[in-house]
Amino acid sequence: ETGVTQTPRHLVMGMTNKKSLKCEQHLGHNAMYWYKQSAKKPLELMFVYNFKEQTENNSVPSRFSPECPNSSHLFLHLHTLQPEDSALYLCASSQGASGVVYNEQFFGPGTRLTVL
Amino acid sequence: KQEVTQIPAALSVPEGENLVLNCSFTDSAIYNLQWFRQDPGKGLTSLLLIQSSQREQTSGRLNASLDKSSGRSTLYIAASQPGDSATYLCAVSNYGGSQGNLIFGKGTKLSVKP
Repeated sequence: ETGVTQTPRHLVMGMTNKKSLKCEQHLGHNAMYWYKQSAKKPLELMFVYNFKEQTENNSVPSRFSPECPNSSHLFLHLHTLQPEDSALYLCASSQGASGVVYNEQFFGPGTRLTVL
Repeated sequence: KQEVTQIPAALSVPEGENLVLNCSFTDSAIYNLQWFRQDPGKGLTSLLLIQSSQREQTSGRLNASLDKSSGRSTLYIAASQPGDSATYLCAVSNYGGSQGNLIFGKGTKLSVKP
């Protein structure tokens, strides 16, 4: 596989469920990102990891919990979500560097999440 | 606070037409600007990246320009094709801002009719 992959592609969950989104990048990058894309809104950055360290949490509610076990994998753990959390969740990666992650970002296909 | 605006929100053109998509940003202290394409329900495909020191970038039928001082970028698509139909997103990253924080516009939805 090449590029950035995300699983599952579609997920339907109840408000009391716990689920996880997975992202994997095969580009040799060191920075990974989670974005949320809701209808009629611009893409919003949620989290940034650079060399496995979280460098950005964009005021995301604690019901979203990221995990980055290594530079190739990124997870988003979900629990007690609300219907308004239904959105397309996109993962991205970039080269990154010590202290800087301004490089070009490459995106995965996204997970379409529906919370009932 | 950086804000990115894209106009028009939607655009419909006949096949073969040349077209321009516009992007404006409020804070000119950007590190780079990136244009993406998004097909319905899909992720983003990077089209062009312009560093703040550059004026334009070209890839095939696409040309992106950047006027940092006026806070504007344009994406020019030559000889449009039905396969160009998608939403085009503009995003900037700021100096001194949060690491990796790309700020996106809402996009321009392009429809190219055969």
